[in-house]
Amino acid sequence: KNQVEQSPQSLIILEGKNCTLQCNYTVSPFSNLRWYKQDTGRGPVSLTIMTFSENTKSNGRYTATLDADTKQSSLHITASQLSDSASYICVVNTGNQFYFGTGTSLTVIP
Amino acid sequence: SAVISQKPSRDICQRGTSLTIQCQVDSQVTMMFWYRQQPGQSLTLIATANQGSEATYESGFVIDKFPISRPNLTFSTLTVSNMSPEDSSIYLCSVEGDRALDTQYFGPGTRLTVL
Repeated sequence: KNQVEQSPQSLIILEGKNCTLQCNYTVSPFSNLRWYKQDTGRGPVSLTIMTFSENTKSNGRYTATLDADTKQSSLHITASQLSDSASYICVVNTGNQFYFGTGTSLTVIP
Repeated sequence: SAVISQKPSRDICQRGTSLTIQCQVDSQVTMMFWYRQQPGQSLTLIATANQGSEATYESGFVIDKFPISRPNLTFSTLTVSNMSPEDSSIYLCSVEGDRALDTQYFGPGTRLTVL
């Protein structure tokens, strides 16, 4: 069964700290993996897109990693800011269909 | 990039009524997608709408409940028919971006509450 699981479900960190969000998937075939940030009351916004051959990709303070062998990805946020408070969604694309994770809710507190 | 707007942004509706959600894109796109995001959950694809053809619905979603129109390459509507409280959700419109970049853009969503 094609599934995308994210952990933790929720996370609270202090402003300025780093954090790492996890995504494990069983989706096959694999085309690419995306991380989205969804602010409360807004639509998701793409942070990174990674294909099979890419191990890491950065977008500012966001760095995504991908291990296609173990079917795991992580999103690392460096020097967190209050504006990072949002839901982060991992999405795996087979080329024909998108599979969405349930998301990690991140709260950054001052 | 694509800029997507949705109307209404939110609505509160009575059980048994219907609501039509509009999605407008600032550029011509072939495929438009409608998603539902129930409280505390991730996104679920309802259907794919191509211009000039019938929408393709995912398992668990039917045209009678969620009729979709796609009159041109920049516009689509999703109707939530005969609503019940279980339909309370955020409904999002999405489009594919640059095929080479394999991007996807989402609208701001329509927050629907059914009483």
